[in-house]
Amino acid sequence: NAGVTQTPKFRVLKTGQSMTLLCAQDMNHEYMYWYRQDPGMGLRLIHYSVGEGTTAKGEVPDGYNVSRLKKQNFLLGLESAAPSQTSVYFCASRLGVGNQPQHFGDGTRLSIL
Amino acid sequence: AQKVTQAQTEISVVEKEDVTLDCVYETRDTTYYLFWYKQPPSGELVFLIRRNSFDEQNEISGRYSWNFQKSTSSFNFTITASQVVDSAVYFCALSENTGFQKLVFGTGTRLLVSP
Repeated sequence: NAGVTQTPKFRVLKTGQSMTLLCAQDMNHEYMYWYRQDPGMGLRLIHYSVGEGTTAKGEVPDGYNVSRLKKQNFLLGLESAAPSQTSVYFCASRLGVGNQPQHFGDGTRLSIL
Repeated sequence: AQKVTQAQTEISVVEKEDVTLDCVYETRDTTYYLFWYKQPPSGELVFLIRRNSFDEQNEISGRYSWNFQKSTSSFNFTITASQVVDSAVYFCALSENTGFQKLVFGTGTRLLVSP
């Protein structure tokens, strides 16, 4: 049972490049989330999804897009990367009932030069 | 707006000392959830506890205990007889009770336990 898997684990981009971060969960969870973690700021919610085909904005959505074409996958896209998007990105998932806690992936460290 | 404050940026203790990590929250909701997560040096986030705002009972799990006081909007975390393996960043988080569970995190407290 892999839980929540994030791909890639590390990536370096140049300003203006695009890329997609993949989050996959094998727990049949309805809800999925993308957060970013910056020094001294804790984690902040970027986007979330309450089910296949549905997404919503979180606290800091600008510069990011997401898609949830399959229940088990939640993709985070950067269309034109900026140095301000240098961060550690975490994906999480949880069951949609009972306010169960979120299960987090191991994170993706992204550097934009 | 919801807000979580962890005023202690970093705490250093010697093994076997007790340590309390403070968490103060702000919310206009009457029903909400509070969480604690641990982030060890390896970087992953580990769920520790979830507490419903209706349940003010303190909770103990081994060396860990949590004190929830609605009157002071605090949800403090105590580690008894700390160990080197407790060294980590600890995050307190708050979510509304809409079901979406959009977590609002504090900035975290780094705990360093030395032998």
